[in-house]
Amino acid sequence: QSVLTQSPSASGTPGQRVTISCSGSSSNIGINTVQWYQQLPGTAPKLLIYSNNQRPSGVPDRFSGSKSGTSASLAISGLQSEDEADYYCAAWDDSLSGYVFGTGTKVTVL
Amino acid sequence: EVQLVESGGGLVKPGGSLRLSCAASGFTFSTYCMNWVRQAPGKGLEWVSSISYSSSYIYYADSVRGRFTISRDDAKNSLYLQMNSLRAEDTAVYYCARSQGIGNYYFDSWGQGTLVTVSS
Repeated sequence: QSVLTQSPSASGTPGQRVTISCSGSSSNIGINTVQWYQQLPGTAPKLLIYSNNQRPSGVPDRFSGSKSGTSASLAISGLQSEDEADYYCAAWDDSLSGYVFGTGTKVTVL
Repeated sequence: EVQLVESGGGLVKPGGSLRLSCAASGFTFSTYCMNWVRQAPGKGLEWVSSISYSSSYIYYADSVRGRFTISRDDAKNSLYLQMNSLRAEDTAVYYCARSQGIGNYYFDSWGQGTLVTVSS
């Protein structure tokens, strides 16, 4: 059961900017950091953004994250064909004492 | 290079049991927390369980509490998930992932996953 809500899909042409939103509550995003994971077709998820807006080494700076209140966003600028994937937000939920994931957003490059 | 390799998946009947393993290499296993995350066919990610280093803290999702048991063997650099009373809704690819802590931490490395199918 997903506690974090994401729009099911997003799309753009190469070079465009795409933004994905993630809506949570006061027990998860409101008080804890947000992570974003990218899942390319047929592969395991990969950490894309941690601690709201930090990129692991090797992740292009085209990817950026932000958080405000109980919501978070992932932006992909200069969209490329290899960015076509599913994206999930995640956070720790203090009420559930567990991690919660977003419902996932499928990004399509037109 | 960090490597996490899951094994133990397969076909099991409802009510049956299965034990998943995750073999870790390329890092000091005993100093990391470990986690299980699953993904039902065509569905999103669902966190299953987490275990701290030294096994001091263990957490479960409500959907598996009382049926699944997470454990680790630091001497063997291995993580386990004992799954009992399996249900059709437990059918999923199960991933192990490491984190530096539990809570405000992230899964920085993932295995390739092992498929569990619960069906009669």
